[in-house]
Amino acid sequence: SQKIEQNSEALNIQEGKTATLTCNYTNYSPAYLQWYRQDPGRGPVFLLLIRENEKEKRKERLKVTFDTTLKQSLFHITASQPADSATYLCASPGGANQAGTALIFGKGTTLSVSS
Amino acid sequence: KAGVTQTPRYLIKTRGQQVTLSCSPISGHRSVSWYQQTPGQGLQFLFEYFSETQRNKGNFPGRFSGRQFSNSRSEMNVSTLELGDSALYLCASSLGAVYQETQYFGPGTRLLVL
Repeated sequence: SQKIEQNSEALNIQEGKTATLTCNYTNYSPAYLQWYRQDPGRGPVFLLLIRENEKEKRKERLKVTFDTTLKQSLFHITASQPADSATYLCASPGGANQAGTALIFGKGTTLSVSS
Repeated sequence: KAGVTQTPRYLIKTRGQQVTLSCSPISGHRSVSWYQQTPGQGLQFLFEYFSETQRNKGNFPGRFSGRQFSNSRSEMNVSTLELGDSALYLCASSLGAVYQETQYFGPGTRLLVL
């Protein structure tokens, strides 16, 4: 079955630097990957979706890449700010045929941006 | 537009009891999914309902069940609670017609089983 691995549990960087978070999938190439942000005590908030046939997607200071050869997605936050401190989750569609809206999540990477 | 709401926000139960959690999706959304989040296992998919029918089910025991009403509101029930059921239970709604859709999560219900 599909597994989503986010190998870094925690990432500490300085304000202004670029944060790069990694997401690896172990089995079939998912039709898409999604990235969510979760703050303590709150539900995840959708950030970006990248499809299998897209190499890169951008939204303001966020950039996501999808490399089917490496079975990996990278999530970048440029010019990071303390307000970017949160846990970031990568998710792949689940289910036998990837239909429906079931998602398989990684355990997340907690980003801390210090000023 | 109001977001996804979940009630109650916090619950304390004892082993062996049963619990019902409620989720009201965003207006117009017909799909509701439920997830369990624990520090050890992360976010795990429980089940998804679309138009009152269970469309997908995760790998959880039969003690976990759910249903969806005609107004898309959903409930999940856990019977014979175990200590390991202590978790944050999140529900997410989406339009639900196709996949590749953004899911909107509620704030969650934190369940503590003593």
